[in-house]
Amino acid sequence: EAQVTQNPRYLITVTGKKLTVTCSQNMNHEYMSWYRQDPGLGLRQIYYSMNVEVTDKGDVPEGYKVSRKEKRNFPLILESPSPNQTSLYFCASSPRPGTGLEQYFGPGTRLTVT
Amino acid sequence: GENVEQHPSTLSVQEGDSAVIKCTYSDSASNYFPWYKQELGKRPQLIIDIRSNVGEKKDQRIAVTLNKTAKHFSLHITETQPEDSAVYFCAASNNNDMRFGAGTRLTVKP
Repeated sequence: EAQVTQNPRYLITVTGKKLTVTCSQNMNHEYMSWYRQDPGLGLRQIYYSMNVEVTDKGDVPEGYKVSRKEKRNFPLILESPSPNQTSLYFCASSPRPGTGLEQYFGPGTRLTVT
Repeated sequence: GENVEQHPSTLSVQEGDSAVIKCTYSDSASNYFPWYKQELGKRPQLIIDIRSNVGEKKDQRIAVTLNKTAKHFSLHITETQPEDSAVYFCAASNNNDMRFGAGTRLTVKP
């Protein structure tokens, strides 16, 4: 089954404790991205990747890191989480840029930083 | 960069009525305009999209229109049903990234 998976789905952590949210897709998509969703603000892009080893900042990259060592995986890293990073996070993937980004979303990760 | 504005933020209609959600965008290079539906606790799901070389697209009760000159596009839902209740997001893409509107919470009253 074609899908985007994220882990964990729920996470409660404390300020400053490094964490990683994994994202994986099995559709051989070139493009992957991370969004955070906050009430009244919609979906804001954190980082995106056009292909392996190619990553770029989105609208709200501060406090986040990503890597794209393999085509299927695009982990989101919070080196020192803070309470303002409490949010719902979605990973998404798309076949390839240049054709319109029909994005497929993962199930979401609800993160709480205390 | 691209800026997408979406209105209204909330919309309540009676079952069977039509619902219209409007979005404007700022980047004339944007060429792809999808609409996503997000039910409570679920991921956004693509419901319809339109590309910049098309002015209108319809899929059963859902239609999208695009006015490139004015830089606005709209979602039209006819004969609304309670299961249409959800948050709807518009987005604009220029092939490199995608910007989303803030969302519209649609409630369809039986």
